[in-house]
Formats: sequence, C-alpha cells, structure tokens
Amino acid sequence: EVQLVESGGGLVQPGGSLRLSCAASGFTFSSYEMSWVRQAPGKGLEWVSYISNNGRTMYYADSVKGRFTISRDNAKNSLHLQMSGLRADDTAVYYCARDLRIASGEPSFTDYWGQGTLVTVSS
Amino acid sequence: DIQMTQSPSTLSASVGDRVTITCRASQSISSWLAWYQQKPGKAPKLLIYKASSLQSGVPSRFSGSGSGTEFTLTITSLQPDDLATYYCQQYKSYSFTFGPGTKVDIK
Repeated sequence: EVQLVESGGGLVQPGGSLRLSCAASGFTFSSYEMSWVRQAPGKGLEWVSYISNNGRTMYYADSVKGRFTISRDNAKNSLHLQMSGLRADDTAVYYCARDLRIASGEPSFTDYWGQGTLVTVSS
Repeated sequence: DIQMTQSPSTLSASVGDRVTITCRASQSISSWLAWYQQKPGKAPKLLIYKASSLQSGVPSRFSGSGSGTEFTLTITSLQPDDLATYYCQQYKSYSFTFGPGTKVDIK
C-alpha cells in the first residue's frame, strides 16, 4: 500500500523558515517523480514544486521560486521542502504527492497524495 | 502559464442525477488532464487521468472526455458518497495548474 506521511508543519513567524518532510513507503521511491501541492484554508489546490526521480530536475511555482527548495533522499525514501522567507500567504496544508509516468515520452501526473501538514505563518 | 477554469463553481443535484462538470484550458493541453475528488477534510483522490482513463478502483459512474482545451467530468448516477469538490489539473507543462474547483452538493 502506498503511504506518504508528511511532517514538519507548524506555526512560524513571517520571514522565518521551515523544513517539511515526507516519508514514503509501499513503493520503490527512487523510481518515482514527486511533487508538493498546497491548499490555503478554504481555498483550492496550488501546485508548488516537482522533483525528478533522480533529483536532478526541479521545478517551482512562481509564487515560491527563490524561497523554497525541493530535495529528496532516495536512500531514506524521503522527500523534503525547505521553505524560507515565509509570508502569510504561504499558510496552507502542504501535501506530498507521488507522480506517475505511464510511458516514456508522456508527462507525469499525481496518483497518490499524503494527508498533508499544516503550515501557519503568523506573528 | 496555462490557466484552467471550471464551471459551474457549485452545483446541487439529487441522488441518481447525471452530473457534468466542465474544465477549460487557456491553450491546448492535448489529453494531459486529470480529475481529482476531494472530500471535506481529506486529501485529493485521483479519478481520471489522460482526460478519459479511469483510475483503478474508481467507480465506473465516473467518466471523463475531451481534448485540446475543453474537457468534461461526468457522474452518471450521483451517489451520496460523491459529496465533494472536484478539481481538474493540466499536466502538459510546469507549473501544473489546477482549476478552481466545483463543489457538488446533494439535494
């Protein structure tokens, strides 16, 4: 069974930093691309960042570029999101997501989501 | 970036009704579209990928269609368990933009 368990959320002051982690199990982590998606309270879903299975390719939403860094440790089956320069509008539930590529040459899409971890940016 | 819109933003239907949600992309995304269901307080769940492929384990009353810029999600016979918000997402290019969501209520 695929399991994605996020941790590291909490209350942080504006301008502060936080590191989110996602522990993956039930699948061969190193074979899958991964993403982070967030959802502000009462709002819709917003894609945040992507990392390739080997960790060499990363993409970021314009809203977090230069402030957030995605990384992974395939030996430990873990995904991370280092967040700095946090702002009130970064307040959201952050979901770890597994991306599936059905065939080479086709783009990947998210097939599994964790339960999320809440990040609150407030003074 | 590719922009996604959905209509309606909310809908209320009775058990057994046929329900259709529309998603539009600001430019062609071929068939690179997914649909997700999110129940209150829960993580999203994949329903449909590649516009019309049903994810394993998803009831057959859910179906997707479309290509290019216009897509639909259809629930052929609405069930009480289908109370949720439904999101489309394009995955043709980064960033993977989501639609604003359609909230489905049961009358």
